[in-house]
Amino acid sequence: QVQLVESGGGVVQPGGSLTLSCSASGFTFSSYGIHWVRQAPGKGLEWVAMLNSDGHAQYYTDSVKGRFTISRDNSKNTVYLQMNSLRVDDTAVYYCAKDLKTGWTNYMDVWGKGTTVAVSS
Amino acid sequence: EVVLTQSPATLSVSPGERATLSCRASQSVGTNLAWYQQKPGRSPSLLIYGASVRATGIPASFSGSGSGTEFTLTISSLQSEGFAVYYCQQYNKWPITFGQGTRLDIK
Repeated sequence: QVQLVESGGGVVQPGGSLTLSCSASGFTFSSYGIHWVRQAPGKGLEWVAMLNSDGHAQYYTDSVKGRFTISRDNSKNTVYLQMNSLRVDDTAVYYCAKDLKTGWTNYMDVWGKGTTVAVSS
Repeated sequence: EVVLTQSPATLSVSPGERATLSCRASQSVGTNLAWYQQKPGRSPSLLIYGASVRATGIPASFSGSGSGTEFTLTISSLQSEGFAVYYCQQYNKWPITFGQGTRLDIK
């Protein structure tokens, strides 16, 4: 079945770095855009970044621009989120989510279970 | 960025009753709006996209309407599985944004 599995979360000090991975299975990974969405404890959803199917178009929310980088390896069916200069307010569960259709719709129809990032001194 | 404001923040409804949730955009998003459901401790799931198109496997008890800046999610005859938090999301303009959510509680 279609599945996304996030990994790489953990506890990191402010200013530190972390790389999250999103491993996909059950669909033609190279045909779909992938998003990262985060949810701070007790809060709502915040879209973080998106990378299109061939990796040539990437978009970020303003608060992570210049600090986070989204990338993908279609040979490994994996998307990455490199997070640098982490701040306390980056603390959240990070979900990766698949775009609904091939091409580009920006609806997210399959979500992983999430990985937790805690930024604390 | 496009700000989405959902109302009410919390809605208490009895099982079997109808629930109407609203989402207002700070500028027109056309019909580029989706609705998601999130149950406690679970990942979000897509309910509606294109403002009114049900996602695969979503029952007809869920319906979406609206365009421009005013959108509505209606859940007719609420069952136990419908009590959750609901988010609207726009994708008309970068960055993609979500509303703050409406919590649907059992009355």
